[in-house]
Amino acid sequence: DADVTQTPRNRITKTGKRIMLECSQTKGHDRMYWYRQDPGLGLRLIYYSFDVKDINKGEISDGYSVSRQAQAKFSLSLESAIPNQTALYFCATSATGAGGYTFGSGTRLTVV
Amino acid sequence: AQSVAQPEDQVNVAEGNPLTVKCTYSVSGNPYLFWYVQYPNRGLQFLLKYITGDNLVKGSYGFEAEFNKSQTSFHLKKPSALVSDSALYFCAVRDAGNTPLVFGKGTRLSVIA
Repeated sequence: DADVTQTPRNRITKTGKRIMLECSQTKGHDRMYWYRQDPGLGLRLIYYSFDVKDINKGEISDGYSVSRQAQAKFSLSLESAIPNQTALYFCATSATGAGGYTFGSGTRLTVV
Repeated sequence: AQSVAQPEDQVNVAEGNPLTVKCTYSVSGNPYLFWYVQYPNRGLQFLLKYITGDNLVKGSYGFEAEFNKSQTSFHLKKPSALVSDSALYFCAVRDAGNTPLVFGKGTRLSVIA
């Protein structure tokens, strides 16, 4: 099983619909992150959480919300999806300290 | 604020030739620097990192990177490129505090047989 699992892998949804992307990890890491990837723009941070009671906005949090249900679970919601939220979304985890991130395989979201 | 620049959108190199993917950064204090690789339809995979110590860092798949503090650069290198190295490469930086990683826009490497 993957260390960081994202569901669904692919999703097509309609404008105005609410959608939730889920992330779970078996790394035992405290820190979890949501990034979105757009061609030519790299990865941009949406939200991050350093522990269950800690939620922080990233660079592009407007239109998104998150929930840290447990140390191992961090979900991203789009309350009312719009077409410019079409992107590849990545969840990542890290331990406290100088280590790097472990990424999930991504969720490709298309809003029509 | 932290930032990363990858000045080349695309790098083309012949198989067997050396390759360099460029990265410059801006951060307050000492940088923590990372390189990640993304193959098609996959997540990002860690290649190497610089935290402190020797300026030449060796990583996975024969890649290495050189930290240059005066030029604020952290270029990724490999002595002999393989076709299988073709992928999207991301440089990332953060400071020594609790800030998340900031990623560059990525450089697409194409190794031609």
